[in-house]
Parts: sequence; structure tokens; C-alpha cells
Amino acid sequence: ETVMTQSPATLSVSPGERATLSCRASQSVGSNLAWYLQKPGQAPRLLIYGASTRATGIPARFSGSGSGTEFTLTISSLQSGDFAVYYCQQYNNWPPYTFGQGTKLEIK
Amino acid sequence: EVRLVESGGGLVQPGGSLRLSCSASGFNFSAYAMHWVRQTPGKGLEHVSAIGRDGGTTYYADSLEGRFTISRDNSKNTLYLQMSSLRAEDTALYYCVKDTSTWYSFDHWGQGTLVTVSS
Repeated sequence: ETVMTQSPATLSVSPGERATLSCRASQSVGSNLAWYLQKPGQAPRLLIYGASTRATGIPARFSGSGSGTEFTLTISSLQSGDFAVYYCQQYNNWPPYTFGQGTKLEIK
Repeated sequence: EVRLVESGGGLVQPGGSLRLSCSASGFNFSAYAMHWVRQTPGKGLEHVSAIGRDGGTTYYADSLEGRFTISRDNSKNTLYLQMSSLRAEDTALYYCVKDTSTWYSFDHWGQGTLVTVSS
């Protein structure tokens, strides 16, 4: 099973600033990496797939990068609705698909 | 608009059974793989089960130990998860999830149905 490790567990950033979230895979997943955002009381929502492709309706301030085992989600100019929990997921080495444990992005 | 609406969750005693359903609309249901993902505060997001477009391919998490069965009825645009021999550790919010294509990322999630296993 491919283990996904996200860091940091909690990230405190001020509105308007940039946030950088990391995700590491225990073995290569190529570019088969997705990022999801989950707000309290809601289901996760797809942000990025293929490591760097934004899903439909996702604003350009969200960008993904990386391949193999190291991935980054960058959110430029944070807005109030961006403060939530972010998960990465690999869909290269399955079964099973595996998720990271999440990074909570909170207001500083 | 893609909609996934789960139902069938509830409180069940250990050893009991439940059948979850997911009614899909707004897309060609038979053209996509579908999944069940569960979420708990302690274990986070866990990919529980998956089924191919025609139901011919299925996947189950090792943790289920053969107790769950996924199925789909493409004529009714409905996904199912039959859960038996339920344990306390199966307590979770269960999401019905649409694949972006086939064995790819997850582009739409339902709101979830809560399963609580307790005596």
C-alpha cells in the first residue's frame, strides 16, 4: 500500500498571503495525484488532478506541482473560504487508493 | 448538475447488516466507475470499495474482510453497498463518489450517510 504523508498537519497563514502544502508518497505515483478541499460539514471537493490540472470551476490561485513522490499545493492570496482541510490522494498504485491524513489550513 | 444522494445509513447493532444506496443524476451513470469512501475522525478518509462501469470489476479494502458487497444498477442509476457482520470500527460517514473517468480521481462526492455500529 502506498502511504501518503502530508505536512504540516496545521498551517497558520494570514488572508492575502500564500500557503504551501506538501504531500509525500512512500513510492512513486507518477503524476496520478489529486488534491481535495474539505470544509466543515461538507464532503471533500476535487481541486487538482494529474498533480497539476485544476478541476472545473477551481480558481487559478490554486496550483499543484510535483511528480513521483513529492507534491505541492500552492494557494496564492488566501481568501476566507480557503481555510479548511486539504487532502492529497494517489490513484496510481491501487488497490487501494490512498489519502494523506490532511493539512488543516487555519487563519493566522 | 451532477448529484449523488446517499441513503440507508443509521444505527445498527454489532453483527447487523445495512444496505447503503446512492442515487445518481446529472451524468451518464453507466459510463463511470463509482466508489464508496468512508471518513472517521480517527482514521481520516478510507477508500472502501469500487466498481467498474458495467459492474464486472470490483475492489474492496482489506479491512472489510469480505463483509461488504458493492453493486450497481445502471438501469436505475443507483450504486449500492451491502454491509454485513458490522463492527464498531465500521462506524463512519460513508460517501458515494463518482470517478473522473475509470480508475482516476474522484470528481464528485455525495453528502454522505452516517453508519453507527453500537449496542
